[in-house]
Amino acid sequence: AQSVTQLDSQVPVFEEAPVELRCNYSSSVSVYLFWYVQYPNQGLQLLLKYLSGSTLVKGINGFEAEFNKSQTSFHLRKPSVHISDTAEYFCAVSDTHLFFGTGTRLTVIP
Amino acid sequence: DSGVTQTPKHLITATGQRVTLRCSPRSGDLSVYWYQQSLDQGLQFLIQYYNGEERAKGNILERFSAQQFPDLHSELNLSSLELGDSALYFCASSVETGYGYTFGSGTRLTVV
Repeated sequence: AQSVTQLDSQVPVFEEAPVELRCNYSSSVSVYLFWYVQYPNQGLQLLLKYLSGSTLVKGINGFEAEFNKSQTSFHLRKPSVHISDTAEYFCAVSDTHLFFGTGTRLTVIP
Repeated sequence: DSGVTQTPKHLITATGQRVTLRCSPRSGDLSVYWYQQSLDQGLQFLIQYYNGEERAKGNILERFSAQQFPDLHSELNLSSLELGDSALYFCASSVETGYGYTFGSGTRLTVV
C-alpha cells in the first residue's frame, strides 16, 4: 500500500532564506512522486514530479526535489523563498490514483 | 486556467438536500478523479473514472455517487447532505495515472 508522510505541518521562514519541506513515502512497487502547491482559495498546481531517471528534479518557481530511494524520501527545496511562495504544499505518491500527504503550510515572513 | 473546469464554484444548501457537482476534464484526458478536501480529513480520494467506466473507488460514502458521460465530463452527486459534508470538492484529470493530474479550482460546498 502507498502512503505519504509530511513531517512538518507548518514551516515559517524568512524571505530570501532557504527552505526544505520534508516528505517520506512508503510503497511496495515502483514509485512516481509529486509535489503540488495550493495557493489560498485555489486548486492544486503541479510543482514537479519524479517518474524515473535523475534523482534531482527541477520544477516551476525555482523549486527542486531529490528522490532518495534508500531513505524513501522526496524532500522539496528552494534556495531563496519569496513572499509569493506562501502556500500549502502537498507531497503525493501514485498508485491507481494519487495519495496525498497532509500538507505543509509554508509561511514566508517579510 | 488549468483546463479542468468545475461548476459551480460555490454551493450553499441545507441538510438533507441533494446536489450535483460538474467537471469537464482537460482536452485529451480520459481519466477523471474526484477528491474531497476538508480541514480534518485532508485530501481524500473519492472515485476515478476512465473513459466512462469506474476505475477505482476510495473513501466515497454510499450517499455519494458519480458518473462519467460519453463526452467525458463527470458529475458527482451528493445526497442526504450532512453538515460534515461541507468541504472543497476537487476534480482532476489525467492521461495516465503516473504522469500527474491537472486539478480544477474546486467547488466549495457549505451545508447549513
